[in-house]
Amino acid sequence: NAGVTQTPKFQVLKTGQSMTLQCAQDMNHEYMSWYRQDPGMGLRLIHYSVGAGITDQGEVPNGYNVSRSTTEDFPLRLLSAAPSQTSVYFCASSPGTVGSKETQYFGPGTRLLVL
Amino acid sequence: GEDVEQSLFLSVREGDSSVINCTYTDSSSTYLYWYKQEPGAGLQLLTYIFSNMDMKQDQRLTVLLNKKDKHLSLRIADTQTGDSAIYFCAESIRAGGFKTIFGAGTRLFVKA
Repeated sequence: NAGVTQTPKFQVLKTGQSMTLQCAQDMNHEYMSWYRQDPGMGLRLIHYSVGAGITDQGEVPNGYNVSRSTTEDFPLRLLSAAPSQTSVYFCASSPGTVGSKETQYFGPGTRLLVL
Repeated sequence: GEDVEQSLFLSVREGDSSVINCTYTDSSSTYLYWYKQEPGAGLQLLTYIFSNMDMKQDQRLTVLLNKKDKHLSLRIADTQTGDSAIYFCAESIRAGGFKTIFGAGTRLFVKA
């Protein structure tokens, strides 16, 4: 299994540009999430999905859209990039919410710089 | 509200024990986790403890949970330079479904 994969690893955008961060998992996990990591702030949840066709907002959803058309893929879209969205973005997946299935598996991250 | 707090830095000598502490506020937590993040990498699960347990030991790692004080600690015995990383405390809570709250991370420096 490849686990959780993310592309690209690095990206530089200009203010106002849009882009999609890709995330895929091959573990047949129901739950997938997007986090952003900023210095001194830990991870903050942007959006999450509890299964194909179902998404919901996390703690910091503004400026981001997601969709979950398949179990494997959970892309994150930046609609109009702003410097405040400069961050490291992590995608995670989890088998479910019961017992140790709440454990999350993280991708390697996408480093985004918005100029 | 939901909050997880950790100290930002810890420095120890190689061979000593490291103790990383964490406090959390939500009493509805089900599982508590320790994740490790090495430079340029994602988070990797180190260990977890169910909220009705007091202690869990896994080789060099010992997790202690004081549910009354909402305090979680991770002890790493015989700390090695390869243990240098950022350690994140996290709690999984029942909040209308799936939600995990992360602390800001403790950066562990191991001096040779």
